[in-house]
Amino acid sequence: GQNIDQPTEMTATEGAIVQINCTYQTSGFNGLFWYQQHAGEAPTFLSYNVLDGLEEKGRFSSFLSRSKGYSYLLLKELQMKDSASYLCAALDSNTGGFKTIFGAGTRLFVKA
Amino acid sequence: DTGVSQDPRHKITKRGQNVTFRCDPISEHNRLYWYRQTLGQGPEFLTYFQNEAQLEKSRLLSDRFSAERPKGSFSTLEIQRTEQGDSAMYLCASSLVAQGVTEAFFGQGTRLTVV
Repeated sequence: GQNIDQPTEMTATEGAIVQINCTYQTSGFNGLFWYQQHAGEAPTFLSYNVLDGLEEKGRFSSFLSRSKGYSYLLLKELQMKDSASYLCAALDSNTGGFKTIFGAGTRLFVKA
Repeated sequence: DTGVSQDPRHKITKRGQNVTFRCDPISEHNRLYWYRQTLGQGPEFLTYFQNEAQLEKSRLLSDRFSAERPKGSFSTLEIQRTEQGDSAMYLCASSLVAQGVTEAFFGQGTRLTVV
């Protein structure tokens, strides 16, 4: 089966660092996406990890451990505009094709 | 190309009516996905196409839902005999799958309200 777990909500302070964790179980894992979604808007791509390790992109970094079925998204120097939902999504190839399965998302609240 | 576009943005319909949504993907993208999202949840996979071929349909999707991508470009999602439980945001996304995996780009969605 397929299962993706991430915390429902997190709160952090402007200027701080926050780590959003994600664990996944898929039959045919082929990579892990992180998307950002502001309320009422479409998800936008943040990162993609297929190999173990850390990928850094500006204030955002994403980590993957395939053996542990674990990923995290690290946001540095938080800004108020970072308040959004962060969606962890696994690329699954169990059925012979590739489809992206999303978690429920973590709502991040950044306070002043 | 300005990205993935969906039409209409909002649809209110009476229970039992049929509705059809349209998605125009980014022109060079060969893969097109449909997702459904309800408040506080992540996008739920419905179906996807590689060019004009529908490769997979979610087992959770009832027979009232059908999708087409007749020429490998735009796609339509039809819901027959709508129910109140169908009220949700319907998201379309497209990506280019060639030598590697690329991210999916989402449209703004069609918000369906069944009354």
